Amino acid sequence: GQQVMQIPQYQHVQEGEDFTTYCNSSTTLSNIQWYKQRPGGHPVFLIQLVKSGEVKKQKRLTFQFGEAKKNSSLHITATQTTDVGTYFCAVYYGQNFVFGPGTRLSVLP
Amino acid sequence: NAGVTQTPKFQVLKTGQSMTLQCAQDMNHEYMSWYRQDPGMGLRLIHYSVGAGITDQGEVPNGYNVSRSTTEDFPLRLLSAAPSQTSVYFCASSRTEVNEKLFFGSGTQLSVL
Repeated sequence: GQQVMQIPQYQHVQEGEDFTTYCNSSTTLSNIQWYKQRPGGHPVFLIQLVKSGEVKKQKRLTFQFGEAKKNSSLHITATQTTDVGTYFCAVYYGQNFVFGPGTRLSVLP
Repeated sequence: NAGVTQTPKFQVLKTGQSMTLQCAQDMNHEYMSWYRQDPGMGLRLIHYSVGAGITDQGEVPNGYNVSRSTTEDFPLRLLSAAPSQTSVYFCASSRTEVNEKLFFGSGTQLSVL
């Protein structure tokens, strides 16, 4: 079956530092999605990437889809305490979405 | 719109008890699914449905049953609860199963003693 890996598992940053999480797949993907889950909350959709090499930005968040469509990254510039949470990538496989294990981000004020 | 509504928010069961987790969506979504979330393991798919009357197994279906008699509702039944089923359960829906974003419910924290 489809396997999705994410690194790092945990990341602690000082407020104002940058943060990046990476998502890797063993197979070529049709698309990739990113979700954010705040502590105690539920996953919330952030973005979907479809095209090879695609780059999308949402304020301080930059999402990138690899040229080979096997990996993706989420970069946060100048983190804030509101960025705290777990970031998941999800890929469509078969009839379902397969989620990576997530990267938990802590931001120290 | 309420979106995806899950009940209850918290539940404590004894080993061997059965119960049903409720999930309802008011967005006329065709696709609905149940995930469990355990520390360090992300979200694992239990069962899913691509439309009323159609259900199928996900990655971790053992010990759970589902049915989809209407487009709106997708209940998850625990047949005989076990401590290994202690987890947070999320219901999610999307308009279709292809290239659509998932909308999640607020989750059910289940503890099996």
